[in-house]
Amino acid sequence: AQSVSQHNHHVILSEAASLELGCNYSYGGTVNLFWYVQYPGQHLQLLLKYFSGDPLVKGIKGFEAEFIKSKFSFNLRKPSVQWSDTAEYFCAVNGNNAGNMLTFGGGTRLMVKP
Amino acid sequence: IAGITQAPTSQILAAGRRMTLRCTQDMRHNAMYWYRQDLGLGLRLIHYSNTAGTTGKGEVPDGYSVSRANTDDFPLTLASAVPSQTSVYFCASRPDRGAAEAFFGQGTRLTVV
Repeated sequence: AQSVSQHNHHVILSEAASLELGCNYSYGGTVNLFWYVQYPGQHLQLLLKYFSGDPLVKGIKGFEAEFIKSKFSFNLRKPSVQWSDTAEYFCAVNGNNAGNMLTFGGGTRLMVKP
Repeated sequence: IAGITQAPTSQILAAGRRMTLRCTQDMRHNAMYWYRQDLGLGLRLIHYSNTAGTTGKGEVPDGYSVSRANTDDFPLTLASAVPSQTSVYFCASRPDRGAAEAFFGQGTRLTVV
């Protein structure tokens, strides 16, 4: 079975601060990894994804994530957050042998103070 | 219709009543999913379908049923609603397995009283 753990449930930052949200997954084989964002009152949207190749993935709005296979991690980063980044962030995994199962972590609520 | 449409947007339901949440997509995606979103628990998979005619149980399937008669529609039924099913429900679809991203509907906010 596959699972995802997000370590931080709530994060509060000031504008221009750097962001790193932790994500660890559990799965024994090859994985596809995703970060989704949910702005207040909206549905989930894809930020970025990893499936092969360069482990450093760049997404929309200045976000990036690094896949570290040895640590089973896929942490999300942004050098300088903005007030508009206030949202909930979800990490998700799809194991290659798990069919179409897409499993999400518990989410991290980010609040950026202006 | 563009993307995924869920209906209703919100609903207040008396406990014990039957309710079907509707989900329709026009992208011809094979895989479809139902998740519930609860504070602090993230999105938990209720049921999924890899293709029309097949369904599977997710992490929290009890009290819910689904059907997939065709590619476009994936309704979720609560046979006899209970207050613990109060949640926001999201339907999603993906073209196929692997690296394809999932597209989400706007959600249905269900309150069981």
